[in-house]
Amino acid sequence: LAKTTQPISMDSYEGQEVNITCSHNNIATNDYITWYQQFPSQGPRFIIQGYKTKVTNEVASLFIPADRKSSTLSLPRVSLSDTAVYYCLVGDTFEAGSYQLTFGKGTKLSVIP
Amino acid sequence: DSGVTQTPKHLITATGQRVTLRCSPRSGDLSVYWYQQSLDQGLQFLIQYYNGEERAKGNILERFSAQQFPDLHSELNLSSLELGDSALYFCASSRQANYGYTFGSGTRLTVV
Repeated sequence: LAKTTQPISMDSYEGQEVNITCSHNNIATNDYITWYQQFPSQGPRFIIQGYKTKVTNEVASLFIPADRKSSTLSLPRVSLSDTAVYYCLVGDTFEAGSYQLTFGKGTKLSVIP
Repeated sequence: DSGVTQTPKHLITATGQRVTLRCSPRSGDLSVYWYQQSLDQGLQFLIQYYNGEERAKGNILERFSAQQFPDLHSELNLSSLELGDSALYFCASSRQANYGYTFGSGTRLTVV
């Protein structure tokens, strides 16, 4: 499984856009990039997943350059409730039933009023 | 409600004891994954089952075991408990690999 590197922590003011970048230099051809959000004492929650270019949903956007060696999670206009740990993961999704995600330390985002 | 149900939510037990954590996956999900999260270790993958069969093993101690039953619910058995086993234990399930995991709300185990 490809290893990911992301900042340990980030601070942002309410209402700002937050971009969290993750590097995954050894990403394999079949790997997708997935981001999870975790609040204290809760299970991680799926945010967004992508393979290349840009993916957008109601919560976030995911930007993936052509070489796929990095990705950026973009959270528009964050609020205090977005304070959480954000995990970037890469994993092979093509083999159904044998899909294992390895979580790193994640990025602790603190939103300041 | 994520659809993944874990019971109990909290468990306090003494060292040396044995406990069983239960997980019911989302309807239709065949894969169940167990993770341990302690303050200093982050989320550690323990074991995965797919349709009743063990598929992958991570950092699971020999004192720990798991199984997935025909109705697809899973149980994680922890025995000879030590203080260091105190942690949050999460179960996750998935249906198709490219849809990611859905996590339950976890079981907080405290060993005293």
